[in-house]
Amino acid sequence: QVQLVQSGGGVVQPGGSLKLSCAASGFTFSSHGMHWVRQAPGKGLEWVAFIWYDGSSQYYADSVKGRFTISRDNDKNTVYLQMNSLRVEDTAIYHCAKDNLYYGGNHFAGDYWGQGTLVTVSS
Amino acid sequence: DVVMTQSPLSLPVTLGQPASISCRSSQSLVHSDGNTYLNWFQQRPGQSPRRLIYKVSNRDSGVSDRFSGSGSGTDFTLKISRVEAEDVGVYYCMQGTQWPPFTFGPGTKVDIK
Repeated sequence: QVQLVQSGGGVVQPGGSLKLSCAASGFTFSSHGMHWVRQAPGKGLEWVAFIWYDGSSQYYADSVKGRFTISRDNDKNTVYLQMNSLRVEDTAIYHCAKDNLYYGGNHFAGDYWGQGTLVTVSS
Repeated sequence: DVVMTQSPLSLPVTLGQPASISCRSSQSLVHSDGNTYLNWFQQRPGQSPRRLIYKVSNRDSGVSDRFSGSGSGTDFTLKISRVEAEDVGVYYCMQGTQWPPFTFGPGTKVDIK
């Protein structure tokens, strides 16, 4: 069955860096795009970043552009989110979510989600 | 950016009664390929989001047939025919037609009266 297992969250000071990982199994990872979505405490869902199935293109929300980098390693079936220059307002639960080749490939299928990992930015 | 709005934001319902959530987009969600990329997600307390409905009206595998989606263009609706206790949570509509960014509605919190 499809699984997305996340790791890498924690507490970091403002201005610091953190790298999240999302390890996929149960499907052909290299055929599907991947997203990161976050949820601030008590708030709604916010799309953060998207990477194409082959890593050739990446897209970001304006709120993280220039600070966050999404990448993937199709040999390791893993997608990453490198977060630099972190701000207090980046505090959230971060989820990876799968797109789907058969959903057009780049329209946010969201058919599977990771368990979420908490990132807390605080001094 | 496409702005997604939902109403109501809070929906107390009686067990066994129907419930309806409205979602509106600031622009048409009809893509040039003819599809409308409007999804509905359910987030139960303490859990990750789960997709219920994709492309307006297609129910995901394993989702109860009490859930149905409808709509077109800029107006969409999620209906629960008979609310059960397990339906408590927050429901989000989300558009994947005009991006970036992909955008979610603010969420509708469903709980039991």
